[in-house]
Amino acid sequence: AQRVTQPEKLLSVFKGAPVELKCNYSYSGSPELFWYVQYSRQRLQLLLRHISRESIKGFTADLNKGETSFHLKKPFAQEEDSAMYYCALSNQAGTALIFGKGTTLSVSS
Amino acid sequence: DADVTQTPRNRITKTGKRIMLECSQTKGHDRMYWYRQDPGLGLRLIYYSFDVKDINKGEISDGYSVSRQAQAKFSLSLESAIPNQTALYFCATSGTGTSGANVLTFGAGSRLTVL
Repeated sequence: AQRVTQPEKLLSVFKGAPVELKCNYSYSGSPELFWYVQYSRQRLQLLLRHISRESIKGFTADLNKGETSFHLKKPFAQEEDSAMYYCALSNQAGTALIFGKGTTLSVSS
Repeated sequence: DADVTQTPRNRITKTGKRIMLECSQTKGHDRMYWYRQDPGLGLRLIYYSFDVKDINKGEISDGYSVSRQAQAKFSLSLESAIPNQTALYFCATSGTGTSGANVLTFGAGSRLTVL
């Protein structure tokens, strides 16, 4: 079965500290993975996707097929990074996204 | 103007009532989706549509129905609302192809409370 697991409901860090939001997936074949973010009072929006291999707002995520993971990382957290982060996986048919339960990131000074 | 507009933004209703949530988009996207968000459960797919004649059930379609009235409009109905359908509902759209598929543009959400 296709599944996305985000083990942490809440991650609290201090400004300037490194951040790693964990995401593990279950999928047969070559997965397509995404991170979406929801800032306070803003709409849910795409942060990055693995096929783009981009760094967005200092965040990166590397697909590790051996560990079936797609962890989101940032070396130095900023207060404006505080938000809800969702990892998502394209379903086997490529027709829709399966979302994890989300992790709230709280960055304090 | 917002690309994806949901109405109403907030609704309180009673058990057994029929409710319709509407979504319209100006993105020109063919694909539209309805998700519900519950605390601790993340987003779960209710229905999706790839064009006016194409409707597909998602993970949690029981108790819901949809109508794709036009490329730009996709409505979600609760025929007889029950309290466990209290949630935040999101409409989303996406394009197609390698660059567009599954790159979702979300609406602002419709908060539904069923008493």
